[in-house]
Amino acid sequence: NAGVTQTPKFQVLKTGQSMTLQCAQDMNHNSMYWYRQDPGMGLRLIYYSASEGTTDKGEVPNGYNVSRLNKREFSLRLESAAPSQTSVYFCASSVNKLAGALLGETQYFGPGTRLLVL
Amino acid sequence: SQKIEQNSEALNIQEGKTATLTCNYTNYSPAYLQWYRQDPGRGPVFLLLIRENEKEKRKERLKVTFDTTLKQSLFHITASQPADSATYLCALDYQAGTALIFGKGTTLSVSS
Repeated sequence: NAGVTQTPKFQVLKTGQSMTLQCAQDMNHNSMYWYRQDPGMGLRLIYYSASEGTTDKGEVPNGYNVSRLNKREFSLRLESAAPSQTSVYFCASSVNKLAGALLGETQYFGPGTRLLVL
Repeated sequence: SQKIEQNSEALNIQEGKTATLTCNYTNYSPAYLQWYRQDPGRGPVFLLLIRENEKEKRKERLKVTFDTTLKQSLFHITASQPADSATYLCALDYQAGTALIFGKGTTLSVSS
């Protein structure tokens, strides 16, 4: 199993350009997440999808959109990139967050996408 | 507002000593608390989970405690090795249907 995969690994954008970060998991997990990680800020949740067909905003959703394409794939789109969106983006998945209060499930992270917006 | 703090950004210890990392939280009543390890250039990897009704959890050289009265978790690495050098993140799981809340992490450096 590959676990959680992310593409691309690195990307440089100019201000105003758009791009989509791709994420896929092969663990048959129901819940998927997008985080950004900045120095001194830790991991901050952008959006999450508790199950296929649902998405919810996290702590820092402005400037981003997401699509839960199917159970395996969860993409993050930057419609008009800004320098403030320079960051490392991580995708994660878990079995089923709706049952998390009972199961205390863990999250499995991808390797990250390093994005630089000039 | 809800807050989670790992009160040391960096911790330097010598090989063989016990490393103790702290995670404090306010305004939560978490059901679970988790610890993750993150190496440079990689995503976090799960280490241990402790439930609110558990006081202590162990896994090999790792030990986690959870004090809901103090609103604090301690993460211990005994007989530390240079390979233990990494950033350690704590995360709270407090409400069904929402995501984990992560602390900013503590970077541990173990020197030989």
